[in-house]
Amino acid sequence: AQTVTQSQPEMSVQEAETVTLSCTYDTSESDYYLFWYKQPPSRQMILVIRQEAYKQQNATENRFSVNFQKAAKSFSLKISDSQLGDAAMYFCAYRSPSLNTGTASKLTFGTGTRLQVTL
Amino acid sequence: GAVVSQHPSRVICKSGTSVKIECRSLDFQATTMFWYRQFPKQSLMLMATSNEGSKATYEQGVEKDKFLINHASLTLSTLTVTSAHPEDSSFYICSALVLTGYNSPLHFGNGTRLTVT
Repeated sequence: AQTVTQSQPEMSVQEAETVTLSCTYDTSESDYYLFWYKQPPSRQMILVIRQEAYKQQNATENRFSVNFQKAAKSFSLKISDSQLGDAAMYFCAYRSPSLNTGTASKLTFGTGTRLQVTL
Repeated sequence: GAVVSQHPSRVICKSGTSVKIECRSLDFQATTMFWYRQFPKQSLMLMATSNEGSKATYEQGVEKDKFLINHASLTLSTLTVTSAHPEDSSFYICSALVLTGYNSPLHFGNGTRLTVT
């Protein structure tokens, strides 16, 4: 079974600064998908960014980018120019690829990192 | 964008009663829906996977007779917590999957906060 580890329960960053959230995972699969989700106080799960394991290029979405190190099984999230609205719980998640089996498409979440953004 | 509606957003019930939570995909057909449970300050734990028209697949340790899941159509899945107890108080979130390719996205509902008194 796959496992996802987020070793930073809490992180803090000043507004406009950059912060990196770490995530490592364990899998025996060669193809898979990785995600970062944001959960603000409203509890809504919001997809921040996703990465396909077969792609060497790191995914980017505006101020959000990842550092995907497949050999090290590491998938960190970098938030640039942090904003107050970035304050939330951030979850790293793993998913196996599957076209047919719903169970294999399930997301396995890490324990989360609570990000605080200060003025 | 794809919208998943979860209802109710908040429910309080007495111990021993049953509560039904609905998860609807509003503008797409969801072949698979997932039900998660989240305790305060913790991660999302998968409870079960439901595929339209078939029995749900439960994760290890989840009581299928207590958490009844029905996925009767491509747009609706329900989770019924039967004979609820205070320890069932939690935040329940559904997510829906539409198969569009190898990296089909998951869309989450807004969650249901269940309090059992």
